[in-house]
Parts: sequence; structure tokens; C-alpha cells
Amino acid sequence: DAKTTQPNSMESNEEEPVHLPCNHSTISGTDYIHWYRQLPSQGPEYVIHGLTSNVNNRMASLAIAEDRKSSTLILHRATLRDAAVYYCILRDEAKTGNQFYFGTGTSLTVIP
Amino acid sequence: DAGITQSPRHKVTETGTPVTLRCHQTENHRYMYWYRQDPGHGLRLIHYSYGVKDTDKGEVSDGYSVSRSKTEDFLLTLESATSSQTSVYFCAIRLAGSYNEQFFGPGTRLTVL
Repeated sequence: DAKTTQPNSMESNEEEPVHLPCNHSTISGTDYIHWYRQLPSQGPEYVIHGLTSNVNNRMASLAIAEDRKSSTLILHRATLRDAAVYYCILRDEAKTGNQFYFGTGTSLTVIP
Repeated sequence: DAGITQSPRHKVTETGTPVTLRCHQTENHRYMYWYRQDPGHGLRLIHYSYGVKDTDKGEVSDGYSVSRSKTEDFLLTLESATSSQTSVYFCAIRLAGSYNEQFFGPGTRLTVL
């Protein structure tokens, strides 16, 4: 499976927008881009996913570059509850088993 | 809430003893997964199941076995625990009707002395 590269950590002020980048230069045509986050002392939770087009849901937006070699998770107004580790994951939908390969993610700190 | 529980939530054991962790779900999801999480490694897949008695290995399966005799339970067994298996273990299910979304349990913290 193709790998992703994320910054180890980022900071944001509360109520400001946050842009979390992810590079995936070896992405294949059948790779979906998934984002999960993990709050302290909890299991990961689904945030959003996409293939080519930008996606929006109640939690966040996902902006995907035209060449698909990078993507950005956008939190429109960071809250203290958004402090978590954010994982960008590629999933090859042509394979069975739905295996996700988590990296070390980006640890987001939200400053009050 | 996808109705997923893990037991025990915390366990301390000694090297060489067998350990079984249980993942229980209440909604008949077909796919279930076991991950471990260690500092500096993120989450790594141990084993997964795609149905009763159907399992396959993940990225870090050595030293672990699994069983799924009924839909709702997925058991992870350490036949002879080692200190390197000290970790937080997460169970996950694939939600029916969603596009590959996984829902994770609360985790089990295992310490092997």
C-alpha cells in the first residue's frame, strides 16, 4: 500500500481554521484517502474520506489536489475537543480485507 | 455507537502466560479487526476476520492467534505473552452500509512483566 507523510505536530488557536496536510506521492488510481482521528485515551474515529473530488461533512472538509499526490483536512473552526492525533490513510479499494495502514499521524494542539 | 466492547480493559500478566482478549459486537458486522498501538508506531493490524471462522493475518501477526466461532465475538490470543507484546490493543469493525468506515472499540491496555 502507498505511504503517506504528515507533519508530526501542529498547533492552532481555538476558533481558527486548521489545515492538516498529507502527502501521498505514490498514490494509485484505486487508493481512497481516509482520515481518522484519535482523541486522548480513545480509539480512532472516522472523520472523512474521498477519491478525487473535494468532500464535506459535518466534521470537516477534505481538499484533494488535482494530481491526487496530496490532500488537506480542513477543520473550519477548531475547538478544544479537536485536539487529537489525525491520521491520513490510503486504502486500496481493489484489495480485500479493508486493511488500513496507520502511520504516526499529526498531533494537533488547540490553544485556548 | 456500533455496540462494540472489549474485555478486559486493563490486564497485567507475566511473561510466558497465555492471554486472551475479547472483542464483542452486537450488530452482526461481518468484518472485525485487531490492532495494537505502540508509541512511535501508530496502529498496526494484527489479524482480521471476514466472517465466522474466516480470518487472515495482518502486518504484525507473529505471536498472536485469533478465533471467530460466532459473528459477535472475535478473540485475540497470546499463547505465551512476551514483554514486547505490552501494548494497547484495539478492536474494530467495518460498519455495514458505509464505505469501508471502521469503528473502533475503547481499547485494552495489556502489560506483560
